[in-house]
Amino acid sequence: EADIYQTPRYLVIGTGKKITLECSQTMGHDKMYWYQQDPGMELHLIHYSYGVNSTEKGDLSSESTVSRIRTEHFPLTLESARPSHTSQYLCASSEFRRARKAFFGQGTRLTVV
Amino acid sequence: AQKITQTQPGMFVQEKEAVTLDCTYDTSDQSYGLFWYKQPSSGEMIFLIYQGSYDEQNATEGRYSLNFQKARKSANLVISASQLGDSAMYFCAMREGRIQGAQKLVFGQGTRLTINP
Repeated sequence: EADIYQTPRYLVIGTGKKITLECSQTMGHDKMYWYQQDPGMELHLIHYSYGVNSTEKGDLSSESTVSRIRTEHFPLTLESARPSHTSQYLCASSEFRRARKAFFGQGTRLTVV
Repeated sequence: AQKITQTQPGMFVQEKEAVTLDCTYDTSDQSYGLFWYKQPSSGEMIFLIYQGSYDEQNATEGRYSLNFQKARKSANLVISASQLGDSAMYFCAMREGRIQGAQKLVFGQGTRLTINP
């Protein structure tokens, strides 16, 4: 049912590298979100967007940044990856008329070595 | 302060038995929504069921039902006739505020459910 895609699914990268996690949805949803989840733990909201050119920080402070230039695309960037950034990152989207649930992507498991 | 509390880190249930996963929440909003998501080992979050704070009847979706007790601020998930494929992490989540706003969800710590054959 969900048409929201994240790439890559898994990423192992060295400290200091710049990375971009991709998230795209084909449902035309106006609202998009990034959640961070450490293994076996709850999800925490780190970024969200109401629409094009709108980005807000979430409840959990993050060194990552996001952009929303197109409705369907909401990439997350880490300028200089560190081992503390190792986590799973989940992208989600929702729209006003069907705001009863958010659709999640499959997640990106990031490991910084 | 913790807004969503799931007190069962892990549960083990025999196949075909019913199982109840506990969730309590805390909010001062009159309008809010409660969700349950399933997360298999592959990592994606699968929506199971939703209950709005103004919904008078308990939500049901197939084998899933939500036991909503507003005065006690609890929203327990009931899975009837459990199956081996139900083994996963289960998260309770809450959306505060108006539906027109962002779907910002606060999640509980999760319960790992294992179904034994």
